[in-house]
Amino acid sequence: DAKTTQPTSMDCAEGRAANLPCNHSTISGNEYVYWYRQIHSQGPQYIIHGLKNNETNEMASLIITEDRKSSTLILPHATLRDTAVYYCIVRVDNTPLVFGKGTRLSVIA
Amino acid sequence: GAGVSQTPSNKVTEKGKYVELRCDPISGHTALYWYRQSLGQGPEFLIYFQGTGAADDSGLPNDRFFAVRPEGSVSTLKIQRTERGDSAVYLCASSSNRDKQFFGPGTRLTVL
Repeated sequence: DAKTTQPTSMDCAEGRAANLPCNHSTISGNEYVYWYRQIHSQGPQYIIHGLKNNETNEMASLIITEDRKSSTLILPHATLRDTAVYYCIVRVDNTPLVFGKGTRLSVIA
Repeated sequence: GAGVSQTPSNKVTEKGKYVELRCDPISGHTALYWYRQSLGQGPEFLIYFQGTGAADDSGLPNDRFFAVRPEGSVSTLKIQRTERGDSAVYLCASSSNRDKQFFGPGTRLTVL
């Protein structure tokens, strides 16, 4: 079973920041927080991951709370192409990904 | 460079038949994963290879499912005596290190 809780769906206006929350209150010390997304009819795409520090890359930022029990994925300027299902996953290195149902993000023009 | 490729992209078969699904990982990736995804659900883990050996096959639903990776590169997922409940998108992912997995586009299997 997935160890994360995410809202079922969210809307975001094009050009605005999309902030996707995730709860992982039972996360273990050696588990990383990963985010993947899946655009319709494609395979999942890696976005970002982190252990305890905030992370940023060309796609997104990941903010992890100090107690590591929750995190937020931020897409700074959402576009229509960011419409997808976003999965938050906690995982130890070198293990399979356990997907939940994710958050369906709709970016609206 | 080339990503993970999967063939065929679509497979329609009849109940009781045998099918093989192929995955070509990114060159040099030692880890290879198989997942399957039913409509409206997230992908579900099936089996994980490190090199040629199956490091974890705990996700295979029953003994009708089998996977091989004989030379540590291409992998084949084999399903015997297919059932309608096997209909799903079968996804393959590969990884060169301990973190990121790169997914292929999947094979959509339909069992009539």
